[in-house]
Amino acid sequence: DTGVSQDPRHKITKRGQNVTFRCDPISEHNRLYWYRQTLGQGPEFLTYFQNEAQLEKSRLLSDRFSAERPKGSFSTLEIQRTEQGDSAMYLCASSRTGYTEAFFGQGTRLTVV
Amino acid sequence: QQQVKQSPQSLIVQKGGISIINCAYENTAFDYFPWYQQFPGKGPALLIAIRPDVSEKKEGRFTISFNKSAKQFSLHIMDSQPGDSATYFCAANMGQNFVFGPGTRLSVLP
Repeated sequence: DTGVSQDPRHKITKRGQNVTFRCDPISEHNRLYWYRQTLGQGPEFLTYFQNEAQLEKSRLLSDRFSAERPKGSFSTLEIQRTEQGDSAMYLCASSRTGYTEAFFGQGTRLTVV
Repeated sequence: QQQVKQSPQSLIVQKGGISIINCAYENTAFDYFPWYQQFPGKGPALLIAIRPDVSEKKEGRFTISFNKSAKQFSLHIMDSQPGDSATYFCAANMGQNFVFGPGTRLSVLP
């Protein structure tokens, strides 16, 4: 499968715990995006990488959120001290520089109880 | 100015009918307008996209109409099928991140 891969698909955590999600982009895609989608809404931009450089962060990305993309390959999104409002689908997408088509993964559904 | 508006919120169409979803934007710097289809529990899948230098793009049963002066674009699904029942999102991009509309839930009745 050469699509965008996200792991885990589902995560249930207690409030206050830390969680980490992983995204493996399509090979040779050097742009990687993280989005958050709540029920009944469109995806909202969180952050964007060009290779290993994090170029843009949304105001939605509070200090409890951190994203990394070491070596410009896979990326991780960590949420510290989770809150119930963090419950959402976290989507990863990738694209090639010079091409605007972005392809999304299946997402990670986070439930904070 | 970063917002993309989308209507209707939900749409019910009979099998074989035409589904039409409309979007509007404000920022004239946007230069790429994709449509995504999303099934429950899945990530959005790229359906079709257009750039503002063309007024229409057709791929199979899916057509995007683009009106640059009105800053509006729409998705037409011809011969709608029950398998098209999903949520559709329009989006806009100007080189960095994508701005999505709130989505339209389409139900195609058999």
